[in-house]
Amino acid sequence: AQSVTQPDIHITVSEGASLELRCNYSYGATPYLFWYVQSPGQGLQLLLKYFSGDTLVQGIKGFEAEFKRSQSSFNLRKPSVHWSDAAEYFCAVGFQKLVFGTGTRLLVSP
Amino acid sequence: DVKVTQSSRYLVKRTGEKVFLECVQDMDHENMFWYRQDPGLGLRLIYFSYDVKMKEKGDIPEGYSVSREKKERFSLILESASTNQTSMYLCASSLPGQGGGYTFGSGTRLTVV
Repeated sequence: AQSVTQPDIHITVSEGASLELRCNYSYGATPYLFWYVQSPGQGLQLLLKYFSGDTLVQGIKGFEAEFKRSQSSFNLRKPSVHWSDAAEYFCAVGFQKLVFGTGTRLLVSP
Repeated sequence: DVKVTQSSRYLVKRTGEKVFLECVQDMDHENMFWYRQDPGLGLRLIYFSYDVKMKEKGDIPEGYSVSREKKERFSLILESASTNQTSMYLCASSLPGQGGGYTFGSGTRLTVV
């Protein structure tokens, strides 16, 4: 069965500290991989995506993610978190139809 | 600016009512999707469509139907609304086969009382 696991429901990070959000997936073949961000009361916005090639991908707002085939993981990172990054983050995998994780809510402390 | 528009941000409906949630995209995308979002459950796929007049069931289609008479419009129908359908509903669209990712609407928060 296809599934996406985001093991952390909530994460609190101090402003200026680094961030890593975890994502593991189970899929028949290596799918396309995505990270989305959702601000309160809003739809989801695409942060970055991986199809093939370089396993470290850059996205918007200073985010990056690394694909590790051996671990079936696609973790999201940011070197220095800003208060405006507080939101919910979703990992998704698939081809034309995406399967989403349950999300990780990021809280940023002053 | 290209976008996906959901006609209502908030809706309150009574149990048993027939409810229509409308979604329109202006990007000429073939693929359209309806998800519901609930705390702790993430996004779950209700229905999707890869072409006009085409529809396929997602993971949780029970109690819902859809209509796609025109390429740009994908409607979600709650045949007889129930309180367990209180949720955030998200519409998305995408191009076929290119893995371009979804473009989402802002969502409709539906409350069934």
